[in-house]
Amino acid sequence: GEDVEQSLFLSVREGDSSVINCTYTDSSSTYLYWYKQEPGAGLQLLTYIFSNMDMKQDQRLTVLLNKKDKHLSLRIADTQTGDSAIYFCAESEYGGATNKLIFGTGTLLAVQP
Amino acid sequence: DAGVTQSPTHLIKTRGQHVTLRCSPISGHKSVSWYQQVLGQGPQFIFQYYEKEERGRGNFPDRFSARQFPNYSSELNVNALLLGDSALYLCASSLDRTPYNEQFFGPGTRLTVL
Repeated sequence: GEDVEQSLFLSVREGDSSVINCTYTDSSSTYLYWYKQEPGAGLQLLTYIFSNMDMKQDQRLTVLLNKKDKHLSLRIADTQTGDSAIYFCAESEYGGATNKLIFGTGTLLAVQP
Repeated sequence: DAGVTQSPTHLIKTRGQHVTLRCSPISGHKSVSWYQQVLGQGPQFIFQYYEKEERGRGNFPDRFSARQFPNYSSELNVNALLLGDSALYLCASSLDRTPYNEQFFGPGTRLTVL
């Protein structure tokens, strides 16, 4: 089945680290993604990880992938107020003819000054 | 370079009407996908078009249809609108229909059905 789950809300203080978690269901997903959505805006791709990787670091962002448990996490170091947004994880379901993204419900990150 | 553009930005319709939403992909991108994002939820896949042909369809009724033009722009049509069709409709473009190229999202069209 297609079901990507995330916790709904996370509140952190400015300067702390944020960890947003996600579980997915399709073990054949090639890529897993993290998108950011600010109020009234579309989706911005933050980072992605290929399914044969365990970890990927990109500046303040660290993605961890546990394929056995189908668990994906995004760590944001030194969280800033500008990081306040909704974060979506997504898996890629590629069936040869179609590449569709299956999104989670989103995690609202609130950064307190 | 211009990103993915969508028009209109906002739209208000009444139940039973139809609506056409438009999307212009990034220059050189041949694949366009449409997603529906209901308030408080993640985007749901509606269609993917590549080289002017439908390549995939999500779990949406036949009231939803789309097409892609020779210049790779796309239209999403929704007939017999229901209150539940109120959502943000997102268009994404990519070079092709594989997961190896990023899908770039437009700002969306906010549809309100009264």
